[in-house]
Amino acid sequence: DIQMTQSPSSLSASIGDRVTITCRASQTISGYVNWYQQKPGQVPSLLIYSASFLHSGVPSRFSGSGSGTDFTLTISSLQPEDVATYYCQQSYSVPYTFGQGTTLEIK
Amino acid sequence: QVTLKESGPALVKPTQTLTLTCTFSGFSLSTNGIRVSWIRQPPGKALEWLARIDWDDDKFYNTSLKTRLTISKDTSKNQVVLTMTNMDPVDTATYYCARMPPWHDAFDIWGQGTMVTVSS
Repeated sequence: DIQMTQSPSSLSASIGDRVTITCRASQTISGYVNWYQQKPGQVPSLLIYSASFLHSGVPSRFSGSGSGTDFTLTISSLQPEDVATYYCQQSYSVPYTFGQGTTLEIK
Repeated sequence: QVTLKESGPALVKPTQTLTLTCTFSGFSLSTNGIRVSWIRQPPGKALEWLARIDWDDDKFYNTSLKTRLTISKDTSKNQVVLTMTNMDPVDTATYYCARMPPWHDAFDIWGQGTMVTVSS
């Protein structure tokens, strides 16, 4: 199985900050990475698919990049409503696997 | 509007078999490229993918759980069913079903989830 490793596990940042979360795959997976946001007590929702494509309705402050084994989710200007846990997921091959999550808080 | 909704028992005893149903609307599992997966999340922990069934009835399973899982579909009822045998307290989790559309390989629509507790 492909292992997905996220860093950091938790993160505290100020409103307006640029925030970066990284995800590393245990083998090359081309651009088959997706990013999800899970706000406290809510269902996960898709942010980014295929490494860099913004899902419909997602604010443009979110962006994704990377290919091969290293991927990044960036929030260009942190907003209060971005408090959540973020997960990467590989869809290169089944069984699909998720990262362990990055919990983002406001400083 | 695409929706999915999970249903099943909130409490099961150890060693019992869990049966969960995902009832969806707004799409058909007979449409080329549509896939539905089950994903779970233990309290306070990360997401774990369990199984996937495709429009053509292909099925895929989590490596460590595949001996315990069976996924099936009833296209006429717009339902996907997951069974998990020999339930254990470590299987306590919120279980989600989610759709993968034909045009990309991400879970674009999720159900609300159903919490399952395994306890005697």
